[in-house]
Amino acid sequence: DAMVIQNPRYQVTQFGKPVTLSCSQTLNHNVMYWYQQKSSQAPKLLFHYYDKDFNNEADTPDNFQSRRPNTSFCFLDIRSPGLGDAAMYLCATSRDKGRWPQHFGDGTRLSIL
Amino acid sequence: GENVEQHPSTLSVQEGDSAVIKCTYSDSASNYFPWYKQELGKGPQLIIDIRSNVGEKKDQRIAVTLNKTAKHFSLHITETQPEDSAVYFCAATANTPLVFGKGTRLSVIA
Repeated sequence: DAMVIQNPRYQVTQFGKPVTLSCSQTLNHNVMYWYQQKSSQAPKLLFHYYDKDFNNEADTPDNFQSRRPNTSFCFLDIRSPGLGDAAMYLCATSRDKGRWPQHFGDGTRLSIL
Repeated sequence: GENVEQHPSTLSVQEGDSAVIKCTYSDSASNYFPWYKQELGKGPQLIIDIRSNVGEKKDQRIAVTLNKTAKHFSLHITETQPEDSAVYFCAATANTPLVFGKGTRLSVIA
């Protein structure tokens, strides 16, 4: 059974139209991560939550925001998507920070028209 | 901060042969080194990991070695099969979010 679930698997939105991607986990892990992955590249960390503490990477655009209403769910909001935001968005969880395995969902592929 | 270099970027092997992927890291404080396999259209899947107090770890056909002095670690896949074809990522961390290598596309030719 999938332990990190991302919905939807495919999302199409229009240029400039806000979009929200969702992630849920059944592992009860403290940490949840959002990554952006473009074709033939490594995942790039956007931000992570350690419990309720939000940690933004320095180079994450202001256009990207996140919410974690409870332990199980985390959302990625893109306020005004541009063509350059078309990518695979991956959610991951880990029990704690540092030397703990990260478990990834299968991602949401976002297309911008 | 940490920097992880991964080589080669592409690797083709005949079915049954071994494959080796190498990574180097820059931060001597890094203490956790996972390897992920990513198939097309899926998220990365953890296949093996090693911590800095261990030099080698094996799981069936997969092994990872770590040389802390030289700051490099390697993934070894023996008796490769077509289903091993995927992109493999190494990563390192020193109690911070993971830093990934750029990936290796492995093709196993039947």
